[in-house]
Amino acid sequence: AQSVSQHNHHVILSEAASLELGCNYSYGGTVNLFWYVQYPGQHLQLLLKYFSGDPLVKGIKGFEAEFIKSKFSFNLRKPSVQWSDTAEYFCAVKPGGYQKVTFGTGTKLQVIP
Amino acid sequence: DADVTQTPRNRITKTGKRIMLECSQTKGHDRMYWYRQDPGLGLRLIYYSFDVKDINKGEISDGYSVSRQAQAKFSLSLESAIPNQTALYFCATSASGDIQYFGAGTRLSVL
Repeated sequence: AQSVSQHNHHVILSEAASLELGCNYSYGGTVNLFWYVQYPGQHLQLLLKYFSGDPLVKGIKGFEAEFIKSKFSFNLRKPSVQWSDTAEYFCAVKPGGYQKVTFGTGTKLQVIP
Repeated sequence: DADVTQTPRNRITKTGKRIMLECSQTKGHDRMYWYRQDPGLGLRLIYYSFDVKDINKGEISDGYSVSRQAQAKFSLSLESAIPNQTALYFCATSASGDIQYFGAGTRLSVL
């Protein structure tokens, strides 16, 4: 079965620091990739997605992610975080031909003012 | 108004009780899902449905059942609640199985 690994469970950064959250998946074929964000007390919402084409995708609020097929990775980045980025971030993968999306265990980001 | 509405938002119940969590959507999507979220475990799929006559088990369906009453409604039942079913439950919808749209969640406590 496919799996999604998020190795950082809890990240603490100061405002203006750069962010990179890791995501690796185990499926070897075509995949659709997602990052979702869950702000405190809220539901998950889509941050960005990759289906095909340019492996560097840009999402909302200055986030971007790079799909590196050879490394089975889809890491999330932001050059300069803000206090309002404090949230939990989930990577998700949908292999081609499958109907279900598998979510990672999430990374809690805390940004200190 | 929210596109995906879950009721109730919070529920406290006792061990052995039967409870139902409800989800309705106005997005017109065929696909609906129930997940539970536990700290450190992320989201795990309980059941999913691709249309009214299609119900499928997810990875953790034991102790749960679902009903797809209409395209817009998908209910999750706990037949006999137990304390380890204490969690945050999310309903989600999608058009094609890719991007999912989540409800606000139901926080369930089983005492």
